[in-house]
Amino acid sequence: EAGVTQFPSHSVIEKGQTVTLRCDPISGHDNLYWYRRVMGKEIKFLLHFVKESKQDESGMPNNRFLAERTGGTYSTLKVQPAELEDSGVYFCASSQEGVPLHFGNGTRLTVT
Amino acid sequence: AQSVTQPDIHITVSEGASLELRCNYSYGATPYLFWYVQSPGQGLQLLLKYFSGDTLVQGIKGFEAEFKRSQSSFNLRKPSVHWSDAAEYFCAVSNTGGFKTIFGAGTRLFVKA
Repeated sequence: EAGVTQFPSHSVIEKGQTVTLRCDPISGHDNLYWYRRVMGKEIKFLLHFVKESKQDESGMPNNRFLAERTGGTYSTLKVQPAELEDSGVYFCASSQEGVPLHFGNGTRLTVT
Repeated sequence: AQSVTQPDIHITVSEGASLELRCNYSYGATPYLFWYVQSPGQGLQLLLKYFSGDTLVQGIKGFEAEFKRSQSSFNLRKPSVHWSDAAEYFCAVSNTGGFKTIFGAGTRLFVKA
């Protein structure tokens, strides 16, 4: 069984540019989560999808972040325009249960 | 407010020695509790979880954790550490709905020969 896949693994962009991160969950997993870890800080919840619906997006930092999960399969997280403080590692997780059990390797985003 | 505290930012143990990583949580109801490990260049891997029942939980790679409600703790233990255990370990708590998991700041484990 393939695990949770995230790409790109690394992204370096300039302030003001747009970046789109993608997450492919484990097949059949209805729950998909996005988390972020800023350097040296805790892993912070961003949002949670159940199928294609946003169950909880209370962790999204501001309206520069947009997450989608069309068709209830893969998800994208777009940051537009990117700011320096958006740098960090973005993790995606999926599960059939209502808790994040399977994580991807993360996308390391650097905004310069 | 819900929170998770991992008091030790980093710990160094000798290979073959026992290990205990501390985790304390603050939560108003019955929590779901987790330990994850992140090895260099890898994602988070679930070591073990506690939902209910037996308070001593066995996980993968020889790890176990004990839920102590009276102390609001969920410490991770391993009787004999291997060099491959060097990684960062995260304790996490979730509500019974499981929809928003809160992580501790992590404890980085160094293993010396």
